[in-house]
Amino acid sequence: QSVPTQPPSVSGAPGQTVTISCTGTTSNIGAGYDVHWYQHLPGTAPRLLIYGDNNRPSGVPDRFSGSKSGTSASLAISGLRAEDEADYYCLSYDSSLRGMSFGGGTKLTVL
Amino acid sequence: QVQLVQSGAEVKRPGDSVKLSCKASGYTFTTYYMHWVRQAPGQGLEWLGVISPIAGTTNFAQMLQGRLTVTRDTSTATVYMELSSLRSEDTAVYYCAGGLGYTDRLDPWGQGTLVTVSS
Repeated sequence: QSVPTQPPSVSGAPGQTVTISCTGTTSNIGAGYDVHWYQHLPGTAPRLLIYGDNNRPSGVPDRFSGSKSGTSASLAISGLRAEDEADYYCLSYDSSLRGMSFGGGTKLTVL
Repeated sequence: QVQLVQSGAEVKRPGDSVKLSCKASGYTFTTYYMHWVRQAPGQGLEWLGVISPIAGTTNFAQMLQGRLTVTRDTSTATVYMELSSLRSEDTAVYYCAGGLGYTDRLDPWGQGTLVTVSS
């Protein structure tokens, strides 16, 4: 299964910047399909943070930013806050699977 | 406002089927493709399938082919997901989520429905 790959965990101190990578293949991210990013807290529905590679929905702070290059994408979170501690997922369409495909998820710990 | 409201928690035995609903409100029902996503305990988000709101065509994750059925009732703006031959590993929170296009972002989301499969 060609699931985009994310690091299982990242951590950073308050105020720092962390980056979460999402490594895909030529059938998903590398094929030019949009990458979307979600924040997920236990017991709640996932929250859309970034859509279309680098666009923020209304209400999402500009501390969150997205980028994409080749077969990979990244989510950067600057000015880390305690409330940013959550699981983060990338999502893209996969033409070989003919469906959407989430990354494995990354747990962010704010030290 | 745009809202997706899902049916309540279910407890099933292995081998049973479960049918969940997702009722849309606050927008024209045919606007969004409806996707289903689940999260098993300790696991990540997993995309399950999608239905087109107009044609009713579906596409499912390969691992669930043959066990998953998704339908929609345009008269009640409700999408249904039925999973058959349940196994313990189907225990998860199931979410419905709307997408403007087949490959577009998933937003909005339902609140989630916990399905527990246990003997």
